[in-house]
Amino acid sequence: EIVLTQSPGTLSLSPGERATLSCRASQRVSSSYLAWYQQKPGQAPRLLIYAASNRATGIPDRFSGSGSGTDFTLTISRLEPEDFAVYYCQQYDRSPPALSFGGGTKVEIK
Amino acid sequence: QVQLVQSGAEVKKPGSSVKVSCKASGGTFNNYAINWVRQAPGQGLEWVGVIIPIFHTANYSQKLQGRLTMNADESTSTAYMELSSLRSEDTAVYFCARARFWSGSGTYDRRGFDPWGQGTLVTVSS
Repeated sequence: EIVLTQSPGTLSLSPGERATLSCRASQRVSSSYLAWYQQKPGQAPRLLIYAASNRATGIPDRFSGSGSGTDFTLTISRLEPEDFAVYYCQQYDRSPPALSFGGGTKVEIK
Repeated sequence: QVQLVQSGAEVKKPGSSVKVSCKASGGTFNNYAINWVRQAPGQGLEWVGVIIPIFHTANYSQKLQGRLTMNADESTSTAYMELSSLRSEDTAVYFCARARFWSGSGTYDRRGFDPWGQGTLVTVSS
């Protein structure tokens, strides 16, 4: 099983600042199957980025994803008030069922 | 736009079973896999299992193997997850999520899991 480690656990920033979130895999992951999700309290996760660097429909361009191999990054260029949430990375195999999530990074208001 | 609508919250006794439904409103399950993910209070996301309706196949988390049954009714575009022998540690919000699946190659599309259901809180308590 591939283990995804997200860091930091919590990121304390102010609106307008840049957020950089890391997701490290225990072994090489296909970039085609690496996604990022945002989750707010009481809500379901929302797809932000798929295939490591592609924004999902309706996602603002302040969100960007990058990386390959074992190291992936989600960047929020300028934090808006609605961006304070928990972010999860996810990897899955080309064929089901193998799939795992990172432990999450909470982006909180400083 | 497709929405996944899940059944309502459940309160169950230890040792009993729960069945949660997930209906695709405005769409179908054709060429999609339905994954189930749970989230214990204050915790992260944990994959539970996946069903591929077109193949009538399901795969389950090793942790829950033996207690989990997933199936789907393609005529109503509804997927079901049943968890038996409930324990207090099964208390969680259970989400369904749809992923495009290419039946010809037996592979996922790269476009992630979207949409997700609103979640169903299952509370196991005596």
